[in-house]
Amino acid sequence: NAGVMQNPRHLVRRRGQEARLRCSPMKGHSHVYWYRQLPEEGLKFMVYLQKENIIDESGMPKERFSAEFPKEGPSILRIQQVVRGDSAAYFCASSLNQGNTEAFFGQGTRLTVV
Amino acid sequence: AQTVTQSQPEMSVQEAETVTLSCTYDTSENNYYLFWYKQPPSRQMILVIRQEAYKQQNATENRFSVNFQKAAKSFSLKISDSQLGDTAMYFCAFMKRTGGTSYGKLTFGQGTILTVHP
Repeated sequence: NAGVMQNPRHLVRRRGQEARLRCSPMKGHSHVYWYRQLPEEGLKFMVYLQKENIIDESGMPKERFSAEFPKEGPSILRIQQVVRGDSAAYFCASSLNQGNTEAFFGQGTRLTVV
Repeated sequence: AQTVTQSQPEMSVQEAETVTLSCTYDTSENNYYLFWYKQPPSRQMILVIRQEAYKQQNATENRFSVNFQKAAKSFSLKISDSQLGDTAMYFCAFMKRTGGTSYGKLTFGQGTILTVHP
């Protein structure tokens, strides 16, 4: 049973380009959370999704950032027109259901904007 | 809103000795969970231990134990018999227990870098 898979592990983008980060949750998990970790800081919540629904996006920047979790396929975190301040590690976590407190994390995608 | 504070940016300990990492939190909630996560250089976030706020007994997982003081809103992690593989960043985290959209969402502290010396 594979864990949470994130790809790519490393992503380099020039300012103004788009970044697409993918997260495949653990088998059977239908709840996905995205977190951002800036250098030397803890993880900050961005968005919580269930299949085809955004449940809580209170941590998402208002512009340029979007997330989806389609019925089929991985969850996608999309950052348009990236800026240097978007450079960070982005983590995805999944859980079996809303009542389950254990979230399993992927290894993260390190985004570098040059 | 909840906040989690880890006041020790870095700690070090000799192999086989015991070390305690501090964490305090602020919340108006009565039902919640507290966690310690470990992040080694591989960046993988690994759950170390979990405490349910309504349980008075401190959680224990092998060499890892917590000292949970609900009234003081304190949740420290004790690592006994430290091993080189314990070298990592450690994060304290909070999760509300009630339903609704915030359920499952973790609030993390800033982290403590722990180095175990041979």
